[in-house]
Amino acid sequence: DAMVIQNPRYQVTQFGKPVTLSCSQTLNHNVMYWYQQKSSQAPKLLFHYYDKDFNNEADTPDNFQSRRPNTSFCFLDIRSPGLGDAAMYLCATSSAGGVKYTQYFGPGTRLTVL
Amino acid sequence: GEDVEQSLFLSVREGDSSVINCTYTDSSSTYLYWYKQEPGAGLQLLTYIFSNMDMKQDQRLTVLLNKKDKHLSLRIADTQTGDSAIYFCAEVAPSGNTPLVFGKGTRLSVIA
Repeated sequence: DAMVIQNPRYQVTQFGKPVTLSCSQTLNHNVMYWYQQKSSQAPKLLFHYYDKDFNNEADTPDNFQSRRPNTSFCFLDIRSPGLGDAAMYLCATSSAGGVKYTQYFGPGTRLTVL
Repeated sequence: GEDVEQSLFLSVREGDSSVINCTYTDSSSTYLYWYKQEPGAGLQLLTYIFSNMDMKQDQRLTVLLNKKDKHLSLRIADTQTGDSAIYFCAEVAPSGNTPLVFGKGTRLSVIA
């Protein structure tokens, strides 16, 4: 089945220790998104790639970076995690064709910062 | 800017119908979505409706769109305990900078 995969599902890191979250997709979608979701809140868009074009949301902290080496993979790098960065991180994809902007989500990575 | 509002909680008895409501502000919205999120999981796309439609039905789900009032609803018939989750309404507005604008989510609790 075509899908969005996130690894790991659970990640524990220490305060200030860099961490990388991974997302891959078999849908061949050209748009990939990273969201941060804290408890009882809506997902908050951090950035998205339209093909190779990177689009950063204005209020995304500089501590968050992303890489998309190819169509299938996208990474979220948190350079110096703080306690406030503990959250669920959701990856999503969409296709510029078809029902535009319909997003398909992965299962998420829950990040704990000690 | 765009804004999507939902009530935060809804509690229903198993077997009853659930109606989750959503209002949005951007009249240029083209697609409106309902996503379901179970505890500890990602968002699952349930259904969507295009802005030129009034209603869409898919098995137990019925979506109603009142474009004049900018009101969207999701009706779940014969609600089951497995329907307990958070339901997010979302819109796409071509005029906006954000591809998808989410509401805060409605937590549906189904009582057996």
